[in-house]
This record gives sequence, structure tokens and C-alpha cells, in this order.
Amino acid sequence: DIQMTQSPSSLAASVGDRVTITCRASQDISIFLAWFQQRPGKAPKSLIYAASSLQRGVPSKFSGSGSGTHFTLTISNLQPEDFATYYCQQYKSYPLTFGPGTKVDIK
Amino acid sequence: QVQLVQSGAEVKKPGASVKLSCTASGYNFTNYYMHWVRQAPGQGLEWMGIVYPSGSDSKYTQEFQDRVTVTRDTSTSTVYLELSRLRFDDTAVYYCARGSGYDVEYWGQGTLVIVSS
Repeated sequence: DIQMTQSPSSLAASVGDRVTITCRASQDISIFLAWFQQRPGKAPKSLIYAASSLQRGVPSKFSGSGSGTHFTLTISNLQPEDFATYYCQQYKSYPLTFGPGTKVDIK
Repeated sequence: QVQLVQSGAEVKKPGASVKLSCTASGYNFTNYYMHWVRQAPGQGLEWMGIVYPSGSDSKYTQEFQDRVTVTRDTSTSTVYLELSRLRFDDTAVYYCARGSGYDVEYWGQGTLVIVSS
């Protein structure tokens, strides 16, 4: 199975900040990488697929990059609704696997 | 718009089975994949498996291969996931999620399953 790791596991930021979350795969997954946002008590929301393509309706403040084994999610101009947990997921091969998540808290 | 509406919370005893439903609307149900993902209390997301658009093919993780049965009712655009031989550690929120391929686009609201004696 492909193992996904994320760093940091949590971070604290202020409204208006820009933050970057890193996701690494244990083997080459090309660009078969998705990012999800989950607010407390809510279902996850799909943000990005194919490493850098925004899902429909997702604002451009979210951006993704990377390929192979190293990926990043950047969130610009943090707003209160952006404080959540973010997960990456590889869909290059079965079983699909998620990273452990990165919690973005308000500083 | 695309919507996935899941059935209500369930409380089951260990060893029992639970059958969850996920009703799709706003798109052609038979043209898309359906993923199942679960989340134990306070934990991360765990991918369980996928049903192909044909409905006749599916893949599950090894943990669920012999405990999961997925069926579809195309007349109501509903997918059912039945999980048998429930254990305490099956307590989780179960999500269905639509994919155009192997990537997930839309999520249901989730169904809480509590396994308790």
C-alpha cells in the first residue's frame, strides 16, 4: 500500500495569513493526488484533484502543486471558515490512502 | 445540483450487521463511481472501497473484502452498503462519495454507526 504523510500535523495561523501544507507519498503517484477540507462535525469537502486542479466552486485562494512523491497545498488570505483539517489522498493505486491530516487552527 | 443523502444513525450490537443507504440526485447515477469512506471518532479518513459505474464491479480494502456487500437500486439512484460481523472498532461515521474516476468530487453528509453491547 502507498503510505501518505503530511506535515505539519497542526499549525496555528492568523486571519489573512498564507499557509502551506506538505504531503508526501511513499512511492511515485504522478499527479494522482487530491486534497480535502473538513470542518469540525462536517463531511469532508473536495478541494483539489490531479494535484493542482480546483474542484468546481472552490475559490482560487486554494492552490496545489507537486508530482511524484512531494505535494503542497497553499491557502492564501486565511479566513475564519478556512480553519479546518486538511487531508491529502492518493488515487494512483488501490487501496486509495489518505494522509493523517493537518489541522489549521486560529492563532 | 449533485446531492448525496445518507440514511440516519444506527446503533448495533457486536456481531450484527448494518445496512446504510446513499441516495443520489442531480446526475446520472449509473455514470459515476461511488466511494465509501469512514471516520472513527477523533480519527482521520479511511477509504473502504469503490463501486464502479456498471455496478457489477467493485474493490474494497482487505479489511472489508469479506464483510462488505454493496448493492444498487438504479430506480431510486440508491447505493446500499451492508457491513457484517460488526466490531466495536467499526464505530464511525460512514460517508458515500461520488467520483468521476478514482478521485472524489462530492460527499454525502455521513451516517454515524455505533457498535455497542
